[in-house]
Amino acid sequence: KQEVTQIPAALSVPEGENLVLNCSFTDSAIYNLQWFRQDPGKGLTSLLLIQSSQREQTSGRLNASLDKSSGRSTLYIAASQPGDSATYLCAVLYRPADRGSTLGRLYFGRGTQLTVWP
Amino acid sequence: EAQVTQNPRYLITVTGKKLTVTCSQNMNHEYMSWYRQDPGLGLRQIYYSMNVEVTDKGDVPEGYKVSRKEKRNFPLILESPSPNQTSLYFCASSLTWAEKLFFGSGTQLSVL
Repeated sequence: KQEVTQIPAALSVPEGENLVLNCSFTDSAIYNLQWFRQDPGKGLTSLLLIQSSQREQTSGRLNASLDKSSGRSTLYIAASQPGDSATYLCAVLYRPADRGSTLGRLYFGRGTQLTVWP
Repeated sequence: EAQVTQNPRYLITVTGKKLTVTCSQNMNHEYMSWYRQDPGLGLRQIYYSMNVEVTDKGDVPEGYKVSRKEKRNFPLILESPSPNQTSLYFCASSLTWAEKLFFGSGTQLSVL
């Protein structure tokens, strides 16, 4: 069974801080990794998707990196704002062990609940 | 507006009463999937559909059925709901199985 772990489970910081959220996975045979944001009572919004061949992806104040060999991804949020308060989840799409098996299955971490206070 | 639409948003039912949660996307996506989200367990995949011809089980398919008769719709069917299926359910779609996922707003299901 594939495991995706996110640390810390919760994080509370003052506005303006740069922060790093961590995601680790047990198997390096991944296809891609996505970072999502989830607001209370709402669905998930995809923030960044990193292909297994890429090292990082950037979107505005967000930067996600991927190190397959160590089984880790980090989401870097620059100059955090109260509007960034949400739960951040990572999801790993694994390559199938053989063609036709486990194709298209995603494994999610449990998320990091971020609070940014003014 | 490009979106994934789930209905209903909230549903309270009793054990054994068949129900269907609908999911529709307007982005011409091939890939659709269902997840449940439980406190302490995170999101787990129930079923996924690569396209209208291929549907397969995820990690927790027991007690659920799905149908993909047309590209845009992917309903989740609970033939005989039980209390352990009380959860927050999400439908999602993407252009292909390995691309950015778009999620619906969720369905909060309570089985009494």
